[in-house]
Amino acid sequence: AQKVTQAQTEISVVEKEDVTLDCVYETRDTTYYLFWYKQPPSGELVFLIRRNSFDEQNEISGRYSWNFQKSTSSFNFTITASQVVDSAVYFCALSEVLRGAQKLVFGQGTRLTINP
Amino acid sequence: EPEVTQTPSHQVTQMGQEVILRCVPISNHLYFYWYRQILGQKVEFLVSFYNNEISEKSEIFDDQFSVERPDGSNFTLKIRSTKLEDSAMYFCASSEFGLGDKSYEQYFGPGTRLTVT
Repeated sequence: AQKVTQAQTEISVVEKEDVTLDCVYETRDTTYYLFWYKQPPSGELVFLIRRNSFDEQNEISGRYSWNFQKSTSSFNFTITASQVVDSAVYFCALSEVLRGAQKLVFGQGTRLTINP
Repeated sequence: EPEVTQTPSHQVTQMGQEVILRCVPISNHLYFYWYRQILGQKVEFLVSFYNNEISEKSEIFDDQFSVERPDGSNFTLKIRSTKLEDSAMYFCASSEFGLGDKSYEQYFGPGTRLTVT
């Protein structure tokens, strides 16, 4: 069965610090997709990134970067120079494709608090 | 930009009552999903729907749950006889059909918060 583990339940840092959120996954599929979503206090799920299993290039988008390592089944997310607005719960997710439809398997989430 | 919409944003109901949560997926999408998030917990898959039938469902999606696409735009989740433990945020999502990376992105609605008293 597929599984996503986010071992860090809560992280609290001071503004402008860099912070890395860990994500480790388990799957038997050779083709799969990994995602990060942000859930601010308002409750919606905001898509941040999708990465397919064949593309191990790291990605940077502004202050956000992602490190995908297939060898360790990890897909970690780093926020550089954190800001108070980054405070949210962050979910890592893995997709399983079932007869064309997807099922997203989410981790438990990491609550990130950025203190001014 | 097209988006998934959900109504109502918050629903309060009494235990044992039936509720219908409504979603309007993105118009050219063909796969539809419901997920649930109990307060403070992770998001859990409930069901996927394609070509007017359920393609996959989780253990949570028991006989009290049903889904329907009553017309060309709406996608509904019905809970027949609500229990206290059904209190949660319910998210609808949709995705495109076809090959390529775009088909593997699910677009989520803003959620409906269901409170069962």
